[in-house]
Amino acid sequence: QKEVEQDPGPLSVPEGAIVSLNCTYSNSAFQYFMWYRQYSRKGPELLMYTYSSGNKEDGRFTAQVDKSSKYISLFIRDSQPSDSATYLCAMSEQGAQKLVFGQGTRLTINP
Amino acid sequence: GAGVSQSPSNKVTEKGKDVELRCDPISGHTALYWYRQRLGQGLEFLIYFQGNSAPDKSGLPSDRFSAERTGESVSTLTIQRTQQEDSAVYLCASSPWGGNTIYFGEGSWLTVV
Repeated sequence: QKEVEQDPGPLSVPEGAIVSLNCTYSNSAFQYFMWYRQYSRKGPELLMYTYSSGNKEDGRFTAQVDKSSKYISLFIRDSQPSDSATYLCAMSEQGAQKLVFGQGTRLTINP
Repeated sequence: GAGVSQSPSNKVTEKGKDVELRCDPISGHTALYWYRQRLGQGLEFLIYFQGNSAPDKSGLPSDRFSAERTGESVSTLTIQRTQQEDSAVYLCASSPWGGNTIYFGEGSWLTVV
């Protein structure tokens, strides 16, 4: 079993829809949780960063962490075609430099 | 300012040849990371540098892989006697001091034929 599980999709939704992306993990020592967006043939870019449990909102994006369930989510409101990309969750332990990534979910927003 | 720069952006090599991949981190960033991304997969950690030392090289897949960093700046990832399973994107990232906010380059796309 992988430390971080993420449904690879692909996921296709119409413009304006609310998108929900999720990851589950098995390592209870993970404390830092991140979402990266990766456009085709580009490097990943950091979208959201959360420490421990709770919610964080940034514009149309909301990240949620539920450590009791070992489950994290990213919500995208009012989705736009420019949101079409692969979304990768990543997490790390306290004091560790290594990020453990999910497989990535390929998302397409249709105009 | 300039982001993380990697070269070459694309490399096709024959099986058994050695390759060198270069990374120029963001100026002033003391921490530098190498990750590998196989087609359709997430990123696999390879090695982490703080300054010129590598306190965590646990992700290097075999002794054919090595990396160095000089002058707290440029890093080189070397793959010796390349195999077809080495085909992947090799991503370099840097951060100011080794926190969890890291900035990736666009990667070096390696194909071993």
